[in-house]
Amino acid sequence: EVQLLESGGGLVQPGGSLRLSCAASGFPFNGFVLNWVRQAPGKGLEWISVISGSGSDKYYADSVKGRFIISRDNPRNMLYLQMNSLTVDDTAVYYCAKVGIPGATRAWLDSWGQGTLVTVSS
Amino acid sequence: DIVMTQSPESLAVSLGERATINCKSSQSVFYSANNKNYLAWYQQKPGQPPKLLIYWASIRASGVPDRFSGSGSGTDFTLTISGLQAEDVAVYYCQHYYTTPPGTFGPGTKVAIK
Repeated sequence: EVQLLESGGGLVQPGGSLRLSCAASGFPFNGFVLNWVRQAPGKGLEWISVISGSGSDKYYADSVKGRFIISRDNPRNMLYLQMNSLTVDDTAVYYCAKVGIPGATRAWLDSWGQGTLVTVSS
Repeated sequence: DIVMTQSPESLAVSLGERATINCKSSQSVFYSANNKNYLAWYQQKPGQPPKLLIYWASIRASGVPDRFSGSGSGTDFTLTISGLQAEDVAVYYCQHYYTTPPGTFGPGTKVAIK
């Protein structure tokens, strides 16, 4: 059974940093592209970042480009999101999600974690 | 960038009746090389993460009841719930995955019981 478990969320002041983690199990980790998707309170879903299975290819939404860094540790089955220069607009639940086809970036998201809440406030 | 829109924003349907949600992309998400539409549907219940319902515009994900069906091609797509059940109360999102990086989600459609 695929499991994705996010951690690392919390309260941070504007301008601060936070590192989110996503522990994965139940599938061949390095074979799958992984994504971060966020959801502001009461709002819709926003895709923010994706990383290839090897970690060599990374993409970001314009809203986080230059501030967030996605990475993965394949031997440890871990996905990360380093978030810097946080603003109140970054307040959201952050989900990690796995694509449905091995090796594919252009694919649906077939498994999601429960999410971790990041609150940016002074 | 491809922009996804959904209609209606919300709808209320009686139990057992049909719910129809529309999704439109600003450009075609049909890839002629493999004859597939790069479009997925997700269901999100309150307090839960999204759940995949449909991929390739019309293929039900594993375990999804057959009252959920997806249709459409190119730029216009539909999610139909045939015989709404109480557990189907949720927000439904479409998403394209035609591009690299993967695409934006629609704004969501909230389904309630009338």
